[in-house]
Amino acid sequence: NAGVTQTPKFQVLKTGQSMTLQCAQDMNHEYMSWYRQDPGMGLRLIHYSVGAGITDQGEVPNGYNVSRSTTEDFPLRLLSAAPSQTSVYFCASSTETAGTDTQYFGPGTRLTVL
Amino acid sequence: TQLLEQSPQFLSIQEGENLTVYCNSSSVFSSLQWYRQEPGEGPVLLVTVVTGGEVKKLKRLTFQFGDARKDSSLHITAAQPGDTGLYLCAGAPQNTGFQKLVFGTGTRLLVSP
Repeated sequence: NAGVTQTPKFQVLKTGQSMTLQCAQDMNHEYMSWYRQDPGMGLRLIHYSVGAGITDQGEVPNGYNVSRSTTEDFPLRLLSAAPSQTSVYFCASSTETAGTDTQYFGPGTRLTVL
Repeated sequence: TQLLEQSPQFLSIQEGENLTVYCNSSSVFSSLQWYRQEPGEGPVLLVTVVTGGEVKKLKRLTFQFGDARKDSSLHITAAQPGDTGLYLCAGAPQNTGFQKLVFGTGTRLLVSP
């Protein structure tokens, strides 16, 4: 099993550009989520999904869009990148919930917005 | 607003020493988890506690959930260099079910031989 995969591993954008961070899991997990990790802030939840076709906002959703058309994939879209979105982004998945089941994290995408 | 505060932020100790990391909040959590993160990788779950007062042991690591479910601690006995990493606590706030996790600020541990 590949677990949770994320692409790209590194990305540099200019302010105003758009891009999609890809996330896929092969464990047939219903729950998927996106976090950003900034120094001194821990991880903050951006968006999450409890199943195909169902998404909801987390703690810091502004500037990001998500969709969940399949169980396996949960892409994160930045519509118009801003320097404040410079961060490390992690995708995670678990069987049904984040708080009781084991969440498996991907290796992360390091994004720099100039 | 950071719901979960961890202390200390940094800890540098010698192999064989004991240490305790704290995770505190004024909010009640339905569950509390501890993760360890290595540089360049995603966090890896160590333990989940759901009952107030619950104590779980994982080899040399002991985790405790506070009686009121507002705080937690991680105690490492006889630390080893392999314990080096970023330790993160994460809780599911009582009013949001188990779908949203709030992470603490993290404790960076360095264990020297």
